[in-house]
Amino acid sequence: DTGVSQNPRHKITKRGQNVTFRCDPISEHNRLYWYRQTLGQGPEFLTYFQNEAQLEKSRLLSDRFSAERPKGSFSTLEIQRTEQGDSAMYLCASSLVGRLPSYNEQFFGPGTRLTVL
Amino acid sequence: AQSVTQLDSQVPVFEEAPVELRCNYSSSVSVYLFWYVQYPNQGLQLLLKYLSGSTLVKGINGFEAEFNKSQTSFHLRKPSVHISDTAEYFCAVTGAFGNEKLTFGTGTRLTIIP
Repeated sequence: DTGVSQNPRHKITKRGQNVTFRCDPISEHNRLYWYRQTLGQGPEFLTYFQNEAQLEKSRLLSDRFSAERPKGSFSTLEIQRTEQGDSAMYLCASSLVGRLPSYNEQFFGPGTRLTVL
Repeated sequence: AQSVTQLDSQVPVFEEAPVELRCNYSSSVSVYLFWYVQYPNQGLQLLLKYLSGSTLVKGINGFEAEFNKSQTSFHLRKPSVHISDTAEYFCAVTGAFGNEKLTFGTGTRLTIIP
């Protein structure tokens, strides 16, 4: 399968615990996005990377959230001291961006569903 | 900044009937517009997109959408729906500079009635 993969698919944790999610983008895709989708809502942008550089972070990304893409390939999203309000689907997407301004489709992974008890 | 409004949270339709899912957007700059579909426990799949050119765009699974700049709308249509079209549909927008984050609407749940 050459699509975007995310692990784990489901995570149940207790309030106050730390969790980490992983996203593996499509091979050679240089841009990677994280979105969060809560029940009954559309996905909301969290952050994105161009290769290993984190270029933008949403105000939704509190200090408890940190994302990395150390080698410009896979990415991790860590949530420290989880709260019940963090319960959501966390979606990853990747795209291949060229040097010229143009549209490049974002391909989405299946998501990681987080439940905080 | 851009925003998207999907007024219909749920749309029930009989099988083989036509359907229209409404989407309105707001932006101070030129935009690209998209419709995504999400099946249960799956990620988002791109149905169709408007970048430029013809205002009527055709996508996968028989869906089409029309960009109306004066009404700032991008409604999704299908002339005859099937049971397999049951899913959540999201309209999304991004600034027309490419490679920017997507702003999504709250989604419309399409339920097909046999």
